[in-house]
Amino acid sequence: DTEVTQTPKHLVMGMTNKKSLKCEQHMGHRAMYWYKQKAKKPPELMFVYSYEKLSINESVPSRFSPECPNSSLLNLHLHALQPEDSALYLCASSHPGGVVNTEAFFGQGTRLTVV
Amino acid sequence: DQQVKQNSPSLSVQEGRISILNCDYTNSMFDYFLWYKKYPAEGPTFLISISSIKDKNEDGRFTVFLNKSAKHLSLHIVPSQPGDSAVYFCAAWGRGGATNKLIFGTGTLLAVQP
Repeated sequence: DTEVTQTPKHLVMGMTNKKSLKCEQHMGHRAMYWYKQKAKKPPELMFVYSYEKLSINESVPSRFSPECPNSSLLNLHLHALQPEDSALYLCASSHPGGVVNTEAFFGQGTRLTVV
Repeated sequence: DQQVKQNSPSLSVQEGRISILNCDYTNSMFDYFLWYKKYPAEGPTFLISISSIKDKNEDGRFTVFLNKSAKHLSLHIVPSQPGDSAVYFCAAWGRGGATNKLIFGTGTLLAVQP
């Protein structure tokens, strides 16, 4: 099973709303990632969790707040977003750093629209 | 600083022919490379990977070639099928101490014509 499940698939939110994106995997991976993808661009790394600890924050604005409650779950809390934050948000998981020859598996993404 | 580049934004191929997608990288520390296929509004799907200790890896219709000295890899799809039409990303692991960063290339849109 190489499945990463993301919910919701689509989300429309206002600029004053608070919402959360959820991601779940049961592959035993101890590294989980959030990526953001705009149209016609490659996925852009936002956050990396390794063994449930935040290890990389790619200078993401504080209106995005990640959380890793346990080794299978990853959340992205959203608050006071801007229309330019509208994008496809992708979750991925893999074996963590130091384990060579690893693949990362992606969820289907959440299409977020900020109005 | 784009460390992984795909210089062809698009490629059109006839069904049954070979598709060759190219990728260049700049960081000699990259040691494991992956190819992903992506449809619009979906997550990337892992296709095939290659370690820097190899120069070729094959899986069915997909073969990846790595030329370390040229910092170049390519994905060959033979024979190409209309269902292969998608955006293809190459990616490389950038080692950040104990944490990996998967760095994506800019993508190539493959169109396979029936």
